[in-house]
Amino acid sequence: GIQVEQSPPDLILQEGANSTLRCNFSDSVNNLQWFHQNPWGQLINLFYIPSGTKQNGRLSATTVATERYSLLYISSSQTTDSGVYFCAVKRGGSNYKLTFGKGTLLTVNP
Amino acid sequence: GAVVSQHPSRVICKSGTSVKIECRSLDFQATTMFWYRQFPKQSLMLMATSNEGSKATYEQGVEKDKFLINHASLTLSTLTVTSAHPEDSSFYICSAPTRRTYEQYFGPGTRLTVT
Repeated sequence: GIQVEQSPPDLILQEGANSTLRCNFSDSVNNLQWFHQNPWGQLINLFYIPSGTKQNGRLSATTVATERYSLLYISSSQTTDSGVYFCAVKRGGSNYKLTFGKGTLLTVNP
Repeated sequence: GAVVSQHPSRVICKSGTSVKIECRSLDFQATTMFWYRQFPKQSLMLMATSNEGSKATYEQGVEKDKFLINHASLTLSTLTVTSAHPEDSSFYICSAPTRRTYEQYFGPGTRLTVT
């Protein structure tokens, strides 16, 4: 099956710093999503981005499908950004199944 | 965005009993839903694909007789953990894709503790 690798596994920042999270995948995909899992376990949809670049406030994401990677940028980080960030991908075909990476644990200190 | 709900959010049960977890898509129809399991500090592990009007498809290694899935309508899927044991304690999460874009939305999860 498709492999999804996220880096770094852990990241500690001071409030106000910027960061880049990376997601590499081993095969072509037609769906890529970034999620933030909050301390209560809820997965929050950040981006649906099989290709191209999107921005939403302080967050932006870029997927280069031909090179099989995606980047999530967090600018001016806040303590509320803390949590686990997951990348998940879906291969082509009618199956909707997502394959998740292991996540990046982000801690933003005040 | 689309909304998926789960009920209950937290359940504690005794070993040997069965527990039912509901997953509902509130503002869209979902012919397919997914059930995941997550252990502490780990990623989500797909357990099964729930298909409206037909049998669920289970991932390798998941016991279909222990984790019963029913997808009776376009907005409701249920997961029943039968004869629960302490090792079944985990965080269970459901998701549903929208038909238009395949973007998946997740429920808030159910924390199951078996004593």
